[in-house]
Amino acid sequence: DAGVIQSPRHEVTEMGQEVTLRCKPISGHNSLFWYRQTMMRGLELLIYFNNNVPIDDSGMPEDRFSAKMPNASFSTLKIQPSEPRDSAVYFCASSLGQGGQPQHFGDGTRLSIL
Amino acid sequence: AQSVTQLGSHVSVSEGALVLLRCNYSSSVPPYLFWYVQYPNQGLQLLLKYTTGATLVKGINGFEAEFKKSETSFHLTKPSAHMSDAAEYFCAVSDSARQLTFGSGTQLTVLP
Repeated sequence: DAGVIQSPRHEVTEMGQEVTLRCKPISGHNSLFWYRQTMMRGLELLIYFNNNVPIDDSGMPEDRFSAKMPNASFSTLKIQPSEPRDSAVYFCASSLGQGGQPQHFGDGTRLSIL
Repeated sequence: AQSVTQLGSHVSVSEGALVLLRCNYSSSVPPYLFWYVQYPNQGLQLLLKYTTGATLVKGINGFEAEFKKSETSFHLTKPSAHMSDAAEYFCAVSDSARQLTFGSGTQLTVLP
């Protein structure tokens, strides 16, 4: 079975540019999570969706960050405009959305903002 | 509110030695507990989970963990470390909700 698929794997761009990260969850999973991982702050939950609806976006750092899930098989995380402090590894995870169900992670997008 | 504390951000063991990675949690309801492993340049992979039932849980790669309610602990062990076990390990807790609360991680180094 295909796991969670993220693209691109690596992104290098200049400050001020728009960045779009993409995620395809595991088929049949109805919860999707976006995380950010840095050395300083570890793994942070940014936002999660259930049945394509954003449930908790309290971890989104600023209005420059936005996330959408137009359908059950696709989600995007957008940063506009990007800043050097946004450099991190961004992970997408999906789960069956019930208590006790594990989250399955993609391989992440390593984002570098110059 | 839930929280997870992983004691020791770095642990080093010799190849063949016992691996013990500590995790303590707090939760207002009976928790679901997880251990994940992260290899360099990869996402987190599920090692094992505790939901209900048997408190000793076996996972992949020879790892196991024991849920001890009285100690609010879920320590991860492996009898004999392999070089391939070198990675970062994360403990996580969930209540009945979908979200996981992760610990800060423990980097395991295996010495030859």
